Amino acid sequence: EPEVTQTPSHQVTQMGQEVILRCVPISNHLYFYWYRQILGQKVEFLVSFYNNEISEKSEIFDDQFSVERPDGSNFTLKIRSTKLEDSAMYFCASRRQGDSPEQYFGPGTRLTVT
Amino acid sequence: AQSVAQPEDQVNVAEGNPLTVKCTYSVSGNPYLFWYVQYPNRGLQFLLKYITGDNLVKGSYGFEAEFNKSQTSFHLKKPSALVSDSALYFCAVRARNSGNTPLVFGKGTRLSVIA
Repeated sequence: EPEVTQTPSHQVTQMGQEVILRCVPISNHLYFYWYRQILGQKVEFLVSFYNNEISEKSEIFDDQFSVERPDGSNFTLKIRSTKLEDSAMYFCASRRQGDSPEQYFGPGTRLTVT
Repeated sequence: AQSVAQPEDQVNVAEGNPLTVKCTYSVSGNPYLFWYVQYPNRGLQFLLKYITGDNLVKGSYGFEAEFNKSQTSFHLKKPSALVSDSALYFCAVRARNSGNTPLVFGKGTRLSVIA
């Protein structure tokens, strides 16, 4: 069964450094998302992406964040200058086009900013 | 604005007993509703969804959920709990519209099934 994959599984970085989190969505899916989950808190939406552009973004997704689909398979989240409060589990998700509203999530990347 | 409430942080149930994990929602118009499960150090795994039609929807691993429009609830149920069902369960809602609307999650309920 196809799955969303994410790399790395754990990333440790120093405050102020840039990080890129990578995702490979399910191959026939056309809608892509990033969410994050700070330890012990609820899952929060960051951004959605369709047809090579951002569809929606939350207040969390400020100028420090960007997303890109550099080729036909990868979907990346970049944080330009990490802050301590960016430490969280970041989940990528994808969805088929059409009447299937459910999103399929990857295993997540745990980002630790020191 | 959409929101989801999961009133219980923790639900404990004995193996073999029925379980219920509660969820209520708020959304403009008719909703799409979902349940996801998260095992330790794993991502969110899709369990089931309500789109339209029968109010009782069946999903993976013997789970089911009942949509109640008047009570704006979508409680997750299973007739006989297993120890392996112990995990974190999230209810989510999405407005029924076109476009790339994101999911809004509840804060999660930790289910502990005791042998």
